[in-house]
Amino acid sequence: KAGVTQTPRYLIKTRGQQVTLSCSPISGHRSVSWYQQTPGQGLQFLFEYFSETQRNKGNFPGRFSGRQFSNSRSEMNVSTLELGDSALYLCASSQTKTGGGRTEAFFGQGTRLTVV
Amino acid sequence: KQEVTQIPAALSVPEGENLVLNCSFTDSAIYNLQWFRQDPGKGLTSLLLIQSSQREQTSGRLNASLDKSSGRSTLYIAASQPGDSATYLCAASGGYQKVTFGTGTKLQVIP
Repeated sequence: KAGVTQTPRYLIKTRGQQVTLSCSPISGHRSVSWYQQTPGQGLQFLFEYFSETQRNKGNFPGRFSGRQFSNSRSEMNVSTLELGDSALYLCASSQTKTGGGRTEAFFGQGTRLTVV
Repeated sequence: KQEVTQIPAALSVPEGENLVLNCSFTDSAIYNLQWFRQDPGKGLTSLLLIQSSQREQTSGRLNASLDKSSGRSTLYIAASQPGDSATYLCAASGGYQKVTFGTGTKLQVIP
């Protein structure tokens, strides 16, 4: 069974540009969450998608957006990149139990974004 | 707002030692608590998941416990090995709420 796949693995962008990251969840998983990891702030939750709908959102500016497709694949977009957006972006997929419970979360290897 | 704290931030032990990593959370209304390990520059590898109704979970040399009333979870690693060197993260999940991660414990096992 394939794991969570994130593409690309590495990206270098310049300030002001925009970027799109992709995440393919484990087959059968309908919940995809995105996280930003930096040395100073640790792992911070960006948003979660379930059945093509954003269900939860963290405290990030509107420049960070995402979407989920009918096959559960998800994309994250960051517009008007800033130097501080340099980070490891991780996505996780999980099944969601009835009543809102959550099963084990599985993470991809991440996309390392460097903004210069 | 859920806050998750991990102590210590870093730990260095000789090979073969048993060790305990701590995770504290402020909101006991969680659905589950999950422990992960992260190797430098890599993603997170799930180690153990404890549902809110459970007290502990075991996998090989790893044992994780959960005490919701006190807002604590511990990860016990028996007979540590150099390959266990990594950063260990705990994450509290509130169901539909966002998952909150701790800041991690960086473990170094010295041969």
